[in-house]
Amino acid sequence: GAVVSQHPSRVICKSGTSVKIECRSLDFQATTMFWYRQFPKKSLMLMATSNEGSKATYEQGVEKDKFLINHASLTLSTLTVTSAHPEDSSFYICSASLWGSLYNEQFFGPGTRLTVL
Amino acid sequence: ILNVEQSPQSLHVQEGDSTNFTCSFPSSNFYALHWYRWETAKSPEALFVMTLNGDEKKKGRISATLNTKEGYSYLYIKGSQPEDSATYLCASVGAAGNKLTFGGGTRVLVKP
Repeated sequence: GAVVSQHPSRVICKSGTSVKIECRSLDFQATTMFWYRQFPKKSLMLMATSNEGSKATYEQGVEKDKFLINHASLTLSTLTVTSAHPEDSSFYICSASLWGSLYNEQFFGPGTRLTVL
Repeated sequence: ILNVEQSPQSLHVQEGDSTNFTCSFPSSNFYALHWYRWETAKSPEALFVMTLNGDEKKKGRISATLNTKEGYSYLYIKGSQPEDSATYLCASVGAAGNKLTFGGGTRVLVKP
């Protein structure tokens, strides 16, 4: 149980285009989903926290207009990288937590490698 | 310690040998510590959630200890096997919120 999928696993796009990444909880309802970014040889950095039906809470330094997050249902959250540029190239990974999770246990997707040319 | 730090960054282990590595985290406002195992091209897999000082948890050949007063956790792999090759991540949860703050990971490569 507690499987999270992420799509696509890899995407290459041209500079200036927008890219949407989907995160789905397959066998549970996720009241909260998280989006992380990993720079090369660095740790996972939390970008934003999203709760179903409400606006995402962004971490300091993360541009909300650049990284649009939508959490329209209890099983789906999307991250859209708008007008992507080469500096947005990175590994993006989502996670989901169950309602009532005592210690913020999170279940992760496999991640998306974004390359912007 | 202000951040979560893991050491070493990587290590090579001979098959059959045991190994251990460290996660250091802020001891103030400690709430919980998570360990994850992350194989390439797969999702990070939760290993342990540790909350109490002195906690010891075990899953097969992998075990972990927790010292909340000094802010560190050790993860041990006994009799390493090639399938143990992965990056092991720890993440601290502070009492103030529900965020996971990750360390940089320890990449373990077990050589046959």
